[in-house]
Amino acid sequence: GAVVSQHPSWVICKSGTSVKIECRSLDFQATTMFWYRQFPKQSLMLMATSNEGSKATYEQGVEKDKFLINHASLTLSTLTVTSAHPEDSSFYICSAFRPGSTEAFFGQGTRLTVV
Amino acid sequence: QKEVEQDPGPLSVPEGAIVSLNCTYSNSAFQYFMWYRQYSRKGPELLMYTYSSGNKEDGRFTAQVDKSSKYISLFIRDSQPSDSATYLCAMSGTGTASKLTFGTGTRLQVTL
Repeated sequence: GAVVSQHPSWVICKSGTSVKIECRSLDFQATTMFWYRQFPKQSLMLMATSNEGSKATYEQGVEKDKFLINHASLTLSTLTVTSAHPEDSSFYICSAFRPGSTEAFFGQGTRLTVV
Repeated sequence: QKEVEQDPGPLSVPEGAIVSLNCTYSNSAFQYFMWYRQYSRKGPELLMYTYSSGNKEDGRFTAQVDKSSKYISLFIRDSQPSDSATYLCAMSGTGTASKLTFGTGTRLQVTL
């Protein structure tokens, strides 16, 4: 199957700082990537849809100024959590859609802990 | 009410058992129904998907969709310790790679 790599796998940051998470499609070009968030004992929830070369589409309730998404190339999308707070601590995971495929491929996720 | 309900488990079964995993949903617009398997510290990987109602079989795995009851199931026959993972159901109205609505996942443990 296609490979999507997410980096870092885990990160601890201080409250008020910003953290950048990268999502790369290693063996295909992804015009569309998705960012999900999962709190403990809850479902993966879609945060935003990232389209190469255009602005991301955010789901209702997700602050676009806090969660900055950049999809500058066909193989890389980044999610920056700005001015992180402890309540932003969560599991963030991306997926990428490979044209011609019937599925989206997921990265391994990033565990963010804000202290 | 959540759009997709899934018992989080954990579910523990002996090797060789038949496992039944289920999800219920409330959004009648869902047309695509997927099951993902997620091992610890890994991203979800697609196991099977079904469009609309019906059954689909792939080796030891069978997916069933009953749209009239808004109920989907995944059956695993002859379960193996390597099947131990979290199983997530996911649904979409527009395709298997578009916006997905997930269940919480059921943690399965297959014991020797």
